[in-house]
Formats: sequence, structure tokens, C-alpha cells
Amino acid sequence: AQSVTQLDSQVPVFEEAPVELRCNYSSSVSVYLFWYVQYPNQGLQLLLKYLSGSTLVESINGFEAEFNKSQTSFHLRKPSVHISDTAEYFCAVSAPNFGNEKLTFGTGTRLTIIP
Amino acid sequence: DVKVTQSSRYLVKRTGEKVFLECVQDMDHENMFWYRQDPGLGLRLIYFSYDVKMKEKGDIPEGYSVSREKKERFSLILESASTNQTSMYLCASSLLQTDTEAFFGQGTRLTVV
Repeated sequence: AQSVTQLDSQVPVFEEAPVELRCNYSSSVSVYLFWYVQYPNQGLQLLLKYLSGSTLVESINGFEAEFNKSQTSFHLRKPSVHISDTAEYFCAVSAPNFGNEKLTFGTGTRLTIIP
Repeated sequence: DVKVTQSSRYLVKRTGEKVFLECVQDMDHENMFWYRQDPGLGLRLIYFSYDVKMKEKGDIPEGYSVSREKKERFSLILESASTNQTSMYLCASSLLQTDTEAFFGQGTRLTVV
């Protein structure tokens, strides 16, 4: 079985400050890792994903995440946040050999940007 | 633009009613999913389907059933709605391969009174 832990349920950050949203996972097999974002009153949309290769992955809006196998982490970072980044962020993990039904989500981190 | 459409944004139903939540996708995806989203609990998988007329239980199937008669449509059924089923329900679809992203609908906020 696999699981995802997002320790921070809420993260307030001043505009233009850096932010890190933490994600740790556990799995007995190799995994794919995802970050999804949910803007207010919307469904989830994919922000970025790690499948293999380079451990640092980037999104088009300035977020990046680094896969750290030894620490079983996939933290999300942005060097300078904007008001428009206000949203809830979900880390998710899937097991490549067990089908998409094994996409397991964390409990989410609500990012609030303070002007 | 890819799209997953849920038939209602908001629903209010009475305890004991039979409730249907409808979801349609236009991407010819094999997989379709129903999740429930509650504060502090994240997304929990109720049921998923990888083909027409095929369904598999997720983590919290009790009190729910599903129907997939056509590839593009996946329905979630609450046989007898209860107040503890008040929640946000999210439908999603994806290709069969596990390295592809899931596309989500905007959600249906169901209140059972």
C-alpha cells in the first residue's frame, strides 16, 4: 500500500516571498509523483509530475518540485509567490504497475498569499 | 480543450432520497473515477471504472454505487442519501496508462438535509 503525507494543512505567505509545500510518501514499490492544484470553486488540475529521469521537475508558472528517493519526499517550491497562487495544493502518488486506480492523494495544503 | 463535465455544481437532497450524480468526458478516456473531498481528509476514491460496464471499489464504496453504460459517461448513485454523505464530489478521467494525468470536473457540492 502507498500513502502520502502533507504535514501542513495551511501555509500563509507574503506576496513575493518564497514558499515550500512539503510532501512525503511511503510505498513498497517505485512510484510516480504528482502535484495537483485546486483554485477556488474549481476542480483539480495537474501542476507537475515526476515519472523518471531528472529529479527536478518544473511547471510553466514557476513552481518546481524535487524527487528525493532517500527521504521519500517530493516538496513543492516557488521562489516568489503571487496573489494568483492562492489555492489548495495536493500531492499524489501512483504505483506504475498497479493501474491508475492507485492514485493516492494527500490531505492538501491551503496556500494563502498575503498582500 | 479537454473537458470533464459534472451535471450539477450544487445539489440539496433530503435524507433517504436516491441521488444521481452524472459525469461526462469528451476525451475518449478509458478510466473514470469518483472521489469525495472533505476538509482535512483530502480526496478519497469511491469507485472507478476502466471500461464500459466495468467497475471497481475504491477506498470508501459503502453507501454508493456506480454505472457506466457508455464510455464517456460515469454515474455515481447514492441509494439512500444520508447526512454523512454531505460533501464535495469530484469526477475524473484518464487514459489507462498510470503515468498520464487525471482530468477533473468542477465538482458537485451535495448537501443532504
